[in-house]
Amino acid sequence: GAGVSQTPSNKVTEKGKYVELRCDPISGHTALYWYRQSLGQGPEFLIYFQGTGAADDSGLPNDRFFAVRPEGSVSTLKIQRTERGDSAVYLCASSQQPGNEQYFGPGTRLTVT
Amino acid sequence: KQEVTQIPAALSVPEGENLVLNCSFTDSAIYNLQWFRQDPGKGLTSLLLIQSSQREQTSGRLNASLDKSSGRSTLYIAASQPGDSATYLCAVQTGANNLFFGTGTRLTVIP
Repeated sequence: GAGVSQTPSNKVTEKGKYVELRCDPISGHTALYWYRQSLGQGPEFLIYFQGTGAADDSGLPNDRFFAVRPEGSVSTLKIQRTERGDSAVYLCASSQQPGNEQYFGPGTRLTVT
Repeated sequence: KQEVTQIPAALSVPEGENLVLNCSFTDSAIYNLQWFRQDPGKGLTSLLLIQSSQREQTSGRLNASLDKSSGRSTLYIAASQPGDSATYLCAVQTGANNLFFGTGTRLTVIP
């Protein structure tokens, strides 16, 4: 079956602009996670959804970052007033249940100029 | 906060050699541990998942072990091939459900 998909694959934006990154999890997976990976580093946790609700958003760096999952499937990560330091690869993962194996999408490479 | 360390940061071996990648973590109260492979510019591919109650998992030429009490895991790759060249990431899952990742080991298998 289809894996986790993310769009766009690449996004270039100017400092101060607003961006939205989309994640389509594996069908039927109730848990969805967002991570951010900077060059040469391992991914860092941002936020975790169980169904429609954000069960843990402790990894969001500041209030410019927000994520939603209104119908318990697709999720959108939203970044306001982008800064050059936001440049990274944003990875989405899903699992059938919390605590199960996580399956990752290909990521969105965000570049803020 | 959980910290995950991977040693070595980079490894280069001739084709056919067996090799071991190491991962250590500071808090032994983990739910499970996952090993991933990441090719340049790509996402993560899950290789093996070990539950906290398990000691090891095997898949083909890969074997992962877990010693939770000492905070260590190893990934053993038998008969390495050039196609194994990639970055290997270790991640532990805590009760909070998110994964804590190491910085990875970049493996190069020389034909």
